[in-house]
Amino acid sequence: GAGVSQSPRYKVAKRGQDVALRCDPISGHVSLFWYQQALGQGPEFLTYFQNEAQLDKSGLPSDRFFAERPEGSVSTLKIQRTQQEDSAVYLCASRRQGNVVNTEAFFGQGTRLTVV
Amino acid sequence: GDSVTQMEGPVTLSEEAFLTINCTYTATGYPSLFWYVQYPGEGLQLLLKATKADDKGSNKGFEATYRKETTSFHLEKGSVQVSDSAVYFCALGTSGGGYQKVTFGTGTKLQVIP
Repeated sequence: GAGVSQSPRYKVAKRGQDVALRCDPISGHVSLFWYQQALGQGPEFLTYFQNEAQLDKSGLPSDRFFAERPEGSVSTLKIQRTQQEDSAVYLCASRRQGNVVNTEAFFGQGTRLTVV
Repeated sequence: GDSVTQMEGPVTLSEEAFLTINCTYTATGYPSLFWYVQYPGEGLQLLLKATKADDKGSNKGFEATYRKETTSFHLEKGSVQVSDSAVYFCALGTSGGGYQKVTFGTGTKLQVIP
């Protein structure tokens, strides 16, 4: 497809379970971002990839969160031992270039994670 | 750190009413400013942007002017339609380390009634 694709769209996990969220960026896009959006809040930055390199992971809330993009295209956000406070919508965005400011970032529809 | 403050919603307007959603920011340096929109069931979309002071971004009848002196980027539309009902996010982009990081406000829900 032409846009950013995320899967699954919805995920219910039991507390303590591990989850993996997938992002397929637009083909050829260098930059990839993950955001966390809690209910009623704006997206909060989690991590940034330029191709396969994770250049910024300052927003990851704990060491239970791990992201990878091994071949510079598809990315996976993994959350280990999920907690209720991890419940949120996880958004992925991609941008064609990394080091050129103001190019538009395209967002996926997100994965809504509910931890019960 | 960088932050964005926007007016709380929800905002409810009648069709053809004038819309203003206030947004102010705090940032070091010279950020770019954005408005994103999220329609029900859809992903975030860029609505408009401005990259330097006094720039005006516009799209689909919406406008916002980058005001450095008041650190503001208020969104306006002269006549809203039911189809404008959505959540609007003000955001700023700052560059460093070779890429641009975007910081979002909390969003303002707009409901337009016929």
